[in-house]
Amino acid sequence: AQSVAQPEDQVNVAEGNPLTVKCTYSVSGNPYLFWYVQYPNRGLQFLLKYITGDNLVKGSYGFEAEFNKSQTSFHLKKPSALVSDSALYFCAVRDATGGYQKVTFGIGTKLQVIP
Amino acid sequence: DAMVIQNPRYQVTQFGKPVTLSCSQTLNHNVMYWYQQKSSQAPKLLFHYYDKDFNNEADTPDNFQSRRPNTSFCFLDIRSPGLGDAAMYLCATSRDYQGTYTDTQYFGPGTRLTVL
Repeated sequence: AQSVAQPEDQVNVAEGNPLTVKCTYSVSGNPYLFWYVQYPNRGLQFLLKYITGDNLVKGSYGFEAEFNKSQTSFHLKKPSALVSDSALYFCAVRDATGGYQKVTFGIGTKLQVIP
Repeated sequence: DAMVIQNPRYQVTQFGKPVTLSCSQTLNHNVMYWYQQKSSQAPKLLFHYYDKDFNNEADTPDNFQSRRPNTSFCFLDIRSPGLGDAAMYLCATSRDYQGTYTDTQYFGPGTRLTVL
């Protein structure tokens, strides 16, 4: 069975500082990995995904994530946090095996950017 | 410019009174999903449609049903809502998951269901 762990319920960072939101995964085959962001009372918005190729993936709003196969991690990063980045961030994984594979979401990490 | 639309945004129903939530999409995607999200929890997949083919998750209660009359619309029916069904219900779409498609999902804004 596949799973996602987001070890931090909340991450606090000062505006302008770099931010990292952690994610580790478990999947039997190769992973497809995703990050989504959710603002209050809104649906999830896609940020970025890793499918194959370069381990550093760049996404929307200046976010990036680094795939580390040996550590089974896919941490979300941004060089300089904005107050508007404050939201709930979900990491997700699915097995890359062809056909339908369910996407499993983590429980989310609340990011609070302090002015 | 809205791509996945959910109506209503807020729904209040009474215990045991059937309720239907609506989702529509302008993306012409093959796949439509319904998720249940409770506070501080991950979205939980209830079922999905691949075109007209319905795919239920093993742990989805029978109380939850879905209909997809055409490509654009999908409905979630809760036959007899209980207090435990109060949640945010998210509709999502993806273009496909066959072949090389990697099913990035596009979510609607959600419907928050309150059960009195």
